Amino acid sequence: EVQLLESGGGLIQPGGSLRLSCAASGFSFSTYAMSWVRQTPGKGLEWVSSISGRDNITYYADSVKGRFTISRDISKNTLYLQMSSLRVEDTALYYCAKGRTSDSWGQGTLVTVSS
Amino acid sequence: DVVMTQSPLSLPVTLGQPASFSCRSSQSLVHSDGNTYLSWFQQRPGQSPRRLIYKVSNRDSGVPDRFSGSGSGTDFTLKISRVEAEDVGLYYCMQGTYWPLWTFGQGTKVEI
Repeated sequence: EVQLLESGGGLIQPGGSLRLSCAASGFSFSTYAMSWVRQTPGKGLEWVSSISGRDNITYYADSVKGRFTISRDISKNTLYLQMSSLRVEDTALYYCAKGRTSDSWGQGTLVTVSS
Repeated sequence: DVVMTQSPLSLPVTLGQPASFSCRSSQSLVHSDGNTYLSWFQQRPGQSPRRLIYKVSNRDSGVPDRFSGSGSGTDFTLKISRVEAEDVGLYYCMQGTYWPLWTFGQGTKVEI
């Protein structure tokens, strides 16, 4: 059974940094593309970043480019999202999702950016 | 970016009756490989999104057969043949044709 478990969210001041993790199990983690998607009441679901399978090419939404970095550790079966220069508008529930067609999602981790 | 537009945004339903909602994309979702990567997700209150339908009309494992997807090009529909109480929640369409630039519809809220 595929399982994705996010962690690392919390309350952070504007300009701060945070690293999200997504522990994956139940599938061949290294061969699948993985993504981060965030959800807010106002903007709904928004794609944030993806990393391709095998060759680990990374992609970012314009809204986070230059501030967020996606990566994976195959030895730990874990996906990461390093977030820096955080803004109030980054406040959201962050999900990791598996595959190019997002067939599985985690339960999410809440990031709140506020002073 | 491809814009996904869902309608209606809110859908009152009656238990046992059918329900249908629409999703339109601003560009064709036919991929160069011939597939159309349009998915539907259900998000029950307090839960994360769960994929119900992929590539327009394929049900995910464990999804009841009362859910069906149809459409082509830019116009897509999700139908529930007989609404049950557990179907309450938000339903989103998502295009994956232009991966990694996934885009989502605003969601349709289904309530009894």
